[in-house]
Amino acid sequence: GNSVTQMEGPVTLSEEAFLTINCTYTATGYPSLFWYVQYPGEGLQLLLKATKADDKGSNKGFEATYRKETTSFHLEKGSVQVSDSAVYFCALRQDGNTGKLIFGQGTTLQVKP
Amino acid sequence: NAGVTQTPKFQVLKTGQSMTLQCAQDMNHEYMSWYRQDPGMGLRLIHYSVGAGITDQGEVPNGYNVSRSTTEDFPLRLLSAAPSQTSVYFCASSYWGEQFFGPGTRLTVL
Repeated sequence: GNSVTQMEGPVTLSEEAFLTINCTYTATGYPSLFWYVQYPGEGLQLLLKATKADDKGSNKGFEATYRKETTSFHLEKGSVQVSDSAVYFCALRQDGNTGKLIFGQGTTLQVKP
Repeated sequence: NAGVTQTPKFQVLKTGQSMTLQCAQDMNHEYMSWYRQDPGMGLRLIHYSVGAGITDQGEVPNGYNVSRSTTEDFPLRLLSAAPSQTSVYFCASSYWGEQFFGPGTRLTVL
């Protein structure tokens, strides 16, 4: 079946460090891929998405490229801030516009000043 | 627009009690869903609905019931709460696949 695997956390970085959170997936066909962010005490917010191979999603300095050859969608940011501290979820959508998502287990990011 | 709203924000139940988690959206989205979030397991789909009067099971439906009498509302019912249902519950609605999440309900079953 379809699945998403993320690197285990927590990830602890100093402010202005480079961030990579790995995400790989297993799916048939051509799923859409997403990164969601959850700040402490809040619900999930869509961070970025990519709907086809080689697409790059970007938002708030974060980027991720849909790599079909490696079935990956790694999240990157060149210079993290303390305000980026949150839990990050990679997810895939298999079923058209129904919105049914399969999530990875989440990666906690802590950025220290 | 209020987006997706959930009530209550926190709830403590005793084993065997029943309750309903409320979810409402004002965006006229056809698709709505319920997830539970547990440490180290991400979010798992409980039930979903593709429109009023239509519901279906997700990955972890046991112990939960849903109904969808209107486009706006999608309540989740626990008929007999168990400690294994201690979790954070998120409701979401969807437009062309992009999901909008509510703020969550933190449920503890003693």
